[in-house]
Amino acid sequence: QTVVTQEPSFSVSPGGTVTLTCGVSSGSVSNGYYPSWYQQTPGQAPRTLIYSTNTRSSGVPDRFSGSILGKKAALTITGAQADDESDYYCMLYVGSGIYVFGTGTKVTVL
Amino acid sequence: QVQLQESGPGLVKPSETLSLTCTVSGGSINGYYWGWIRQPPGKGLEWIANIHDSGSTDYNPSLKSRVTILMDTSKNQFSLRLSSLTAADTAIYYCAKYGSGWNFDHWGQGTLLTVSS
Repeated sequence: QTVVTQEPSFSVSPGGTVTLTCGVSSGSVSNGYYPSWYQQTPGQAPRTLIYSTNTRSSGVPDRFSGSILGKKAALTITGAQADDESDYYCMLYVGSGIYVFGTGTKVTVL
Repeated sequence: QVQLQESGPGLVKPSETLSLTCTVSGGSINGYYWGWIRQPPGKGLEWIANIHDSGSTDYNPSLKSRVTILMDTSKNQFSLRLSSLTAADTAIYYCAKYGSGWNFDHWGQGTLLTVSS
């Protein structure tokens, strides 16, 4: 069973930069895992931020960016704002039609 | 703009079978992949299954023995059946549309399912 791991929490100052990562139990995340990132605020459905590693979804501010850093997928928030305070989930395509969500990261802006 | 709306019973008893429906509006269900995701209270997201109008289906291995995903193109709907329910199946269930990049690009608002006697 594939496990996708994220940092449990991060704190960032307003205007600061934070990078969240997404690792896979089988080894290294590559573009072939088609990593995507979702933002979720309490009581709301997830919102798609990034797909195919680094493509921003329509309407997503350019302070959100995706990449591969070393062996992990990464989501970077540059110039964090108060309304970026949310839970963030990555999702990986692990093959054979199967997808796995990461464990999620809670981002606090203060 | 595609919109998705989940519907379901809200409360079911242990050992029963759940049936949820996702109604798609603002676009055709044909030609795309569609999926179900769930989120237990206070916990993370879990991918359940997906379906394409070709009839292709895929399931989370940990749920595969209890899950069936179906599509009714005439009604622009797809559905989820989950059997042998336990309290661990209590969650918000979301339906979603896949985009072009092996990702979800449209989500329903979610429906809460509680499994309790």
